[in-house]
Amino acid sequence: EAGVAQSPRYKIIEKRQSVAFWCNPISGHATLYWYQQILGQGPKLLIQFQNNGVVDDSQLPKDRFSAERLKGVDSTLKIQPAKLEDSAVYLCASSFRRLDPYEQYFGPGTRLTVT
Amino acid sequence: DQQVKQNSPSLSVQEGRISILNCDYTNSMFDYFLWYKKYPAEGPTFLISISSIKDKNEDGRFTVFLNKSAKHLSLHIVPSQPGDSAVYFCAASPKTSYDKVIFGPGTSLSVIP
Repeated sequence: EAGVAQSPRYKIIEKRQSVAFWCNPISGHATLYWYQQILGQGPKLLIQFQNNGVVDDSQLPKDRFSAERLKGVDSTLKIQPAKLEDSAVYLCASSFRRLDPYEQYFGPGTRLTVT
Repeated sequence: DQQVKQNSPSLSVQEGRISILNCDYTNSMFDYFLWYKKYPAEGPTFLISISSIKDKNEDGRFTVFLNKSAKHLSLHIVPSQPGDSAVYFCAASPKTSYDKVIFGPGTSLSVIP
């Protein structure tokens, strides 16, 4: 079974530029999560999708971050414009059932550096 | 406000000895607790979990202990192996929403051969 795929793996941009990350969850997983992991901290949930609908985006900085999962499969997270404090690893995770936390499978992440 | 705390950023243990990783939480609504393991350049992988109705859960070399009154849990690895060297995240979720997992900052474990 293929795992959660993410691209790119690394990205370096200047502040005020825009960037987009892509995630393809495990086949059949209805729930998709985007996490932000700043160096020295644990992953923090940014947004959660159930199929193509948003379940929770309370911690997403909506003035600069956006995410979509149009067909209920893969997802894109965008930052526009980026700030220095957005430097982090962006992790995508998916799960088959929404209410089983131990079934969140994580991708390898995208390491973003904003200079 | 950090709801899940791991006060030891790093830990070194000799191969074959016991590794004990500690975690404290502040939110009394947390009902389900998890440990994730993360290797460099990889995403976290689920390791072991425990429900608040239990005080111990064991899976091979890994045992998690929960002390609800102290709001404390610990992960024991016995015996420790060099392949266990990784960052370990303690995480918790509330009964009202098990998918809302809150992660601690992690403890980097080094097992020395």
